[in-house]
Amino acid sequence: DTEVTQTPKHLVMGMTNKKSLKCEQHMGHRAMYWYKQKAKKPPELMFVYSYEKLSINESVPSRFSPECPNSSLLNLHLHALQPEDSALYLCASSQDSGGGKNIQYFGAGTRLSVL
Amino acid sequence: GESVGLHLPTLSVQEGDNSIINCAYSNSASDYFIWYKQESGKGPQFIIDIRSNMDKRQGQRVTVLLNKTVKHLSLQIAATQPGDSAVYFCADPPLDGATNKLIFGTGTLLAVQP
Repeated sequence: DTEVTQTPKHLVMGMTNKKSLKCEQHMGHRAMYWYKQKAKKPPELMFVYSYEKLSINESVPSRFSPECPNSSLLNLHLHALQPEDSALYLCASSQDSGGGKNIQYFGAGTRLSVL
Repeated sequence: GESVGLHLPTLSVQEGDNSIINCAYSNSASDYFIWYKQESGKGPQFIIDIRSNMDKRQGQRVTVLLNKTVKHLSLQIAATQPGDSAVYFCADPPLDGATNKLIFGTGTLLAVQP
């Protein structure tokens, strides 16, 4: 089973709203990732969690706040977003966060629209 | 800087034909590459990978070729089917062993015509 589950599939929010994206995997992976993908573009890394600790933040604005409650769950808390934040948000996991042959498995994503 | 890019943004093929998707990379020290397939409305799906100590690796209907001399790799899909319609990305994990930060290429849209 190489399944990464993301909820919700679609989300519409206003610029003053607070919402959260959720990601879950039961593969025993110890690294989890958030990516942002705009239409017709490749995914861009936002955050990396390794063993439940934030290891990489790609200079993401503070209106995006990641959280890793345990090794199977990853959240992305959203607050005061801008319309340009509308995108597909992808979660991925891998065995660990080391380089080399460490395949990342992706969820289907959450399609976010900010009005 | 390090970059991974594709020559052709869109490739249209007839069902049953073979498809070839190309990818160029700039870091001559890169030693591992991954191909992902992303269908409409889905996340990227791992297809096949290759290490730099190999020139060729075969999977089910897919073959990846690596030419280190010109820093180029290609994904070949045999007997292309409508279900192969998707965007294909090559990705280049880092070498330093410290992080698994994927660098995706631009992507190629493969459109299979019935």
